[in-house]
Amino acid sequence: TQLLEQSPQFLSIQEGENLTVYCNSSSVFSSLQWYRQEPGEGPVLLVTVVTGGEVKKLKRLTFQFGDARKDSSLHITAAQPGDTGLYLCAGSSNSGYALNFGKGTSLLVTP
Amino acid sequence: EAGVVQSPRYKIIEKKQPVAFWCNPISGHNTLYWYRQNLGQGPELLIRYENEEAVDDSQLPKDRFSAERLKGVDSTLKIQPAELGDSAVYLCASSTVWRVSDTEAFFGQGTRLTVV
Repeated sequence: TQLLEQSPQFLSIQEGENLTVYCNSSSVFSSLQWYRQEPGEGPVLLVTVVTGGEVKKLKRLTFQFGDARKDSSLHITAAQPGDTGLYLCAGSSNSGYALNFGKGTSLLVTP
Repeated sequence: EAGVVQSPRYKIIEKKQPVAFWCNPISGHNTLYWYRQNLGQGPELLIRYENEEAVDDSQLPKDRFSAERLKGVDSTLKIQPAELGDSAVYLCASSTVWRVSDTEAFFGQGTRLTVV
């Protein structure tokens, strides 16, 4: 199983602040996905990155895949209370059969 | 269009008792996954189906866990007998192609199991 380390584990910030969460591994992934999970719900896909060095933007969220395809980051600009949730990164191997999830970053944005 | 439906949402059982979870994937999704998520952790894959065939069950504790996907649609995950350490949220997900990295995996709300 390819391990994904996410940091920080917990993050509590105020509305309007910026933040970055990280997803790191010693393994190379063919692709990496970011999900957000709210309490009592299943994870919901935010983005998939495939190419090393790729940057994708989703409104105030910016996702980057490392050049070596071993790591990724998620940057949120001007966080809002609606951004609160558990952010999970998930990587798939060259076979692409299944997703291996990190432990997640629990984000709390207070008004 | 309905999403992935799981039942029950919550289940409390005594240890050594059996328990079963049911999942109805999104119509047309041939790939189905069962994940287990412990508190404060990311989901861990238990088993993956392509249609009715279990193609990856390497992480499924086969001494007490079993799963089936009859007719390649609905799926059932069973634990018998349950242990205290089985307390977790059991998530079902489905996708349209076998390479999950090429598409989106849709998750159900999960079944929260508490073993006492």
